[in-house]
Amino acid sequence: ELKVEQNPLFLSMQEGKNYTIYCNYSTTSDRLYWYRQDPGKSLESLFVLLSNGAVKQEGRLMASLDTKARLSTLHITAAVHDLSATYFCAVVADKLIFGTGTRLQVFP
Amino acid sequence: GAVVSQHPSRVICKSGTSVKIECRSLDFQATTMFWYRQFPKQSLMLMATSNEGSKATYEQGVEKDKFLINHASLTLSTLTVTSAHPEDSSFYICSARDPTSGGLTDTQYFGPGTRLTVL
Repeated sequence: ELKVEQNPLFLSMQEGKNYTIYCNYSTTSDRLYWYRQDPGKSLESLFVLLSNGAVKQEGRLMASLDTKARLSTLHITAAVHDLSATYFCAVVADKLIFGTGTRLQVFP
Repeated sequence: GAVVSQHPSRVICKSGTSVKIECRSLDFQATTMFWYRQFPKQSLMLMATSNEGSKATYEQGVEKDKFLINHASLTLSTLTVTSAHPEDSSFYICSARDPTSGGLTDTQYFGPGTRLTVL
């Protein structure tokens, strides 16, 4: 059974700091997604990573994929309060499997 | 980008009643739609895959007689929670696959979600 694990599950960080969220998955997959979810809201698509070594950046967020290690990272640079949300990675097997989620809280 | 709507956004009902949730793809035809459930502070769990014109495929542990799914057209799928109970209270999110999405055939577009509260 495909498992997708994220760590940390909860992250409290100060504005201006950098941090990385990790997404590990247990079987091969040819694509990985990152989503953002605000409280009470649905998912907002952030990135889709399609190949080994893929790197995508949007603003203060950068995602990368290592298919050999079955690992994706979401790096946050110089965090701001507006980034506070829950972040999910999701991997495609025969269906989309979501990670456990990382709740990010950015404080002044 | 592709837009998926859900209705209602929020519903409160009494235990034992049935609730219908609609999921529509607004600007594309979706041969496949998905229904997810999300409990507070948890991840999304796939409940079922809905294919237009055929029976839905349910995930293990999801009662097909309790969660009725109908995908009667290429733009509409419905989820009916029958005889709802408080433990069915959750956030239900649908998604639709756009078969024309430039080769990324697994791209799913998510609806805004429906908050169900069963009293």
